[in-house]
Amino acid sequence: GQQVQQSPASLVLQEGENAELQCNFSTSLNSMQWFYQRPGGSLVSLFYNPSGTKHSGRLTSTTVIKERRSSLHISSSQTTDSGTYLCALERNSAGNKLTFGIGTRVLVRP
Amino acid sequence: DPKIIQKPKYLVAVTGSEKILICEQYLGHNAMYWYRQSAKKPLEFMFSYSYQKLMDNQTASSRFQPQSSKKNHLDLQITALKPDDSATYFCASSQTGRGNSDYTFGSGTRLLVI
Repeated sequence: GQQVQQSPASLVLQEGENAELQCNFSTSLNSMQWFYQRPGGSLVSLFYNPSGTKHSGRLTSTTVIKERRSSLHISSSQTTDSGTYLCALERNSAGNKLTFGIGTRVLVRP
Repeated sequence: DPKIIQKPKYLVAVTGSEKILICEQYLGHNAMYWYRQSAKKPLEFMFSYSYQKLMDNQTASSRFQPQSSKKNHLDLQITALKPDDSATYFCASSQTGRGNSDYTFGSGTRLLVI
């Protein structure tokens, strides 16, 4: 089965709303990362978060290893936040390979 | 300036032909990777190289061959192209030993095989 599951699959927000994106994984991991994929396709690293909570501007990432989940919180969403958010895990036994989820597609309306 | 350069950005190829996707990184990383993203599928790991040596190969088909002429280059040669090879191919790099906290992706090559 899929090792990394993301939810929801898609999300529509009104500008200013908050959102919580979830990532659940079914295997032990070395690290969890969050990426933003622009509508044009390029990827931007948001967080490298093996455990705990990290903040970057309006974004917060929380990884709870025991519960095998990570979340990405977007506060006060803006239209420029529209795109796809991907979580990726690096497993203990898989070297530097990242295993990605299918992503959450976010659309923020003005 | 882009830290990872992928060329070309778009590529249209005929079934059965051969193409080379170019990737160069200017981050000083020792490890480089290829990933593939097909429609409605997750980004999928293909290869990893470290210090110009193949570390991991998750691609079933030998039609896909990475080529590393310099330590900051990792090209991808694809032979006998099939329509199913149509996808966006991403090159990435990282410095191993830092826990992959600096994993960086290129902007991708979008390949269409007709």
